Amino acid sequence: GEDVEQSLFLSVREGDSSVINCTYTDSSSTYLYWYKQEPGAGLQLLTYIFSNMDMKQDQRLTVLLNKKDKHLSLRIADTQTGDSAIYFCAEKPLFSGSARQLTFGSGTQLTVLP
Amino acid sequence: DTAVSQTPKYLVTQMGNDKSIKCEQNLGHDTMYWYKQDSKKFLKIMFSYNNKELIINETVPNRFSPKSPDKAHLNLHINSLELGDSAVYFCASSLDGYYGYTFGSGTRLTVV
Repeated sequence: GEDVEQSLFLSVREGDSSVINCTYTDSSSTYLYWYKQEPGAGLQLLTYIFSNMDMKQDQRLTVLLNKKDKHLSLRIADTQTGDSAIYFCAEKPLFSGSARQLTFGSGTQLTVLP
Repeated sequence: DTAVSQTPKYLVTQMGNDKSIKCEQNLGHDTMYWYKQDSKKFLKIMFSYNNKELIINETVPNRFSPKSPDKAHLNLHINSLELGDSAVYFCASSLDGYYGYTFGSGTRLTVV
């Protein structure tokens, strides 16, 4: 079955770049997602990438995918205190059907220090 | 308008009680989900449901049951609540399952 792993904690200084890493095990074509969860809130979709892509950029966010190593990263440029949150990596195999769920990683708690 | 709304936001109840959490989405999505988030923030799928199939995570006790009166609603019923059921429960919906899910803000259930 699918498995998604992340490191649990990351601390950065305000203004620095943050890089949050994720590995997955599914060998089929798959969609990969990054979600953000602020305290007391639900999960917010930040971005997603299909496994035939290497990179996707959206403003301060850059997603890099190494398909050979099944490694996904989320880079946040110029990290701000408002970026402090838990970031979840998730994946969903292509052709798995709409009822098949996303598999989430354990989440990475990003703390931005002043 | 809130896209996926859950009620109540907080629920405190005694062991052995039966309770329900309601979820509604106004996005026109076809599939809805329930996730449980434990104290370590780990997210575990409980159910996914569209008009064609209900998929139940086999690890979910049968005290938990989803009820869908229509495509826009997926409620969660829990019988004989136990201390270990304390968690945050999230409802989510998706159009086709691939372009991301929209989550509700969660229901924090505390069983005492």
